[in-house]
Amino acid sequence: QSALTQPASVSGSPGQSITISCTGTSSDVGGYNYVSWYQQHPGKAPKLMIYEVSNRPSGVPDRFSGSKSGNAASLTISGLQAEDEADYYCSSYTSSTTVVFGGGTKLTVL
Amino acid sequence: EVQLVESGGGLVQPGRSLRLSCAASGFTFDDYAMHWVRQAPGKGLEWVSGISWNSGSIDYADSVKGRFTISRDNAKNSLYLQMNSLRAEDTALYYCAKDHKGLEWSFAFDPWGQGTLVTVSS
Repeated sequence: QSALTQPASVSGSPGQSITISCTGTSSDVGGYNYVSWYQQHPGKAPKLMIYEVSNRPSGVPDRFSGSKSGNAASLTISGLQAEDEADYYCSSYTSSTTVVFGGGTKLTVL
Repeated sequence: EVQLVESGGGLVQPGRSLRLSCAASGFTFDDYAMHWVRQAPGKGLEWVSGISWNSGSIDYADSVKGRFTISRDNAKNSLYLQMNSLRAEDTALYYCAKDHKGLEWSFAFDPWGQGTLVTVSS
């Protein structure tokens, strides 16, 4: 199972919006609504930010939103804040009954 | 507060075995599927294995299938990962994670433990 494709890096200024893409196939992202997004700060465990494409767990700010179109999912962060600087990973359930992650995207807040 | 505490990591020679444990607290353990996810040093995340609440459904990544075995003891609120025939490429921080939804899979991991480091080297 190949990893999902994410951009290596994205950047934005405080207050701006950014979008991170996550591209898969019809056997993973396109075939199921089990797409999740995680935030990982250096030296810390990942934190769930979005599950089932667009749902936010309790406590996650509504500045974070998720969507999906075809074989691609996206994470949008609006009103960028300094503390949003981190690595972000997408994941998806697959037709092989496994879970595959994206390679990760480093978000820099300028 | 939900807590997941991994243990059992360490330095092991290629071909040898290691058993990881994850102690869970702060939630009804036998209501949730559980997972192991690993992260090689400086690299991304890789899902390793998942087990349903009653151990009736188990899956593995192709990279570990036939070598690793996931199990759980609901009476002890504990998750395990038996790792055999270890290879250098299994070197990673191994995280235990709770499935986000109870009694059904969401394939979303929340929360994660702090991880236990496994180093495979001669």
